[in-house]
Amino acid sequence: EAQVTQNPRYLITVTGKKLTVTCSQNMNHEYMSWYRQDPGLGLRQIYYSMNVEVTDKGDVPEGYKVSRKEKRNFPLILESPSPNQTSLYFCASSLSRRPGNNEQFFGPGTRLTVL
Amino acid sequence: GENVEQHPSTLSVQEGDSAVIKCTYSDSASNYFPWYKQELGKGPQLIIDIRSNVGEKKDQRIAVTLNKTAKHFSLHITETQPEDSAVYFCAAKGSSNTGKLIFGQGTTLQVKP
Repeated sequence: EAQVTQNPRYLITVTGKKLTVTCSQNMNHEYMSWYRQDPGLGLRQIYYSMNVEVTDKGDVPEGYKVSRKEKRNFPLILESPSPNQTSLYFCASSLSRRPGNNEQFFGPGTRLTVL
Repeated sequence: GENVEQHPSTLSVQEGDSAVIKCTYSDSASNYFPWYKQELGKGPQLIIDIRSNVGEKKDQRIAVTLNKTAKHFSLHITETQPEDSAVYFCAAKGSSNTGKLIFGQGTTLQVKP
């Protein structure tokens, strides 16, 4: 089944404890992206990647890191989480960034709470 | 900067009625406008999209209209059913080469049986 998977689905952690949220897609998509969803703000892009070893900042990159060593995986890293990073996180992928091929498929989400 | 405004934030309708959600965008070069439906506990899923060279698109009970001059687009759901209850997001893709989508704030639609 074609899908985007994220792990973990739920995570409660404490300020400053490094964590990684994994994202994997099995559709051979070039383009991958991380969003955070907060009430009243919709989905805001954190980082994106147009292909392997190519990553760039989205609208709210502060406090986050990503890597794209393989086409299928795009982990999100919080080196020192803070309470303002408590949010619902979504990974998404699309065939490419080009019009006509950029329907984005979303993962199921990761609900993160930073105490 | 690029911005998408979505209204209303919540919408409650009786089963069988129509529902309309409206979005406006700021980047006149935007050329792709998808709508996503997010059910409880799940990620957003594309339900319909429209490109800037088309004024209207329909798929069974859902339709999207685009007014490029006014820079707004709308989602229309007819004959609503309880399973239409969800959060709906509009988005706009600008002309930049990044493939980035700018999302609206979301509309929580409740369809009462």
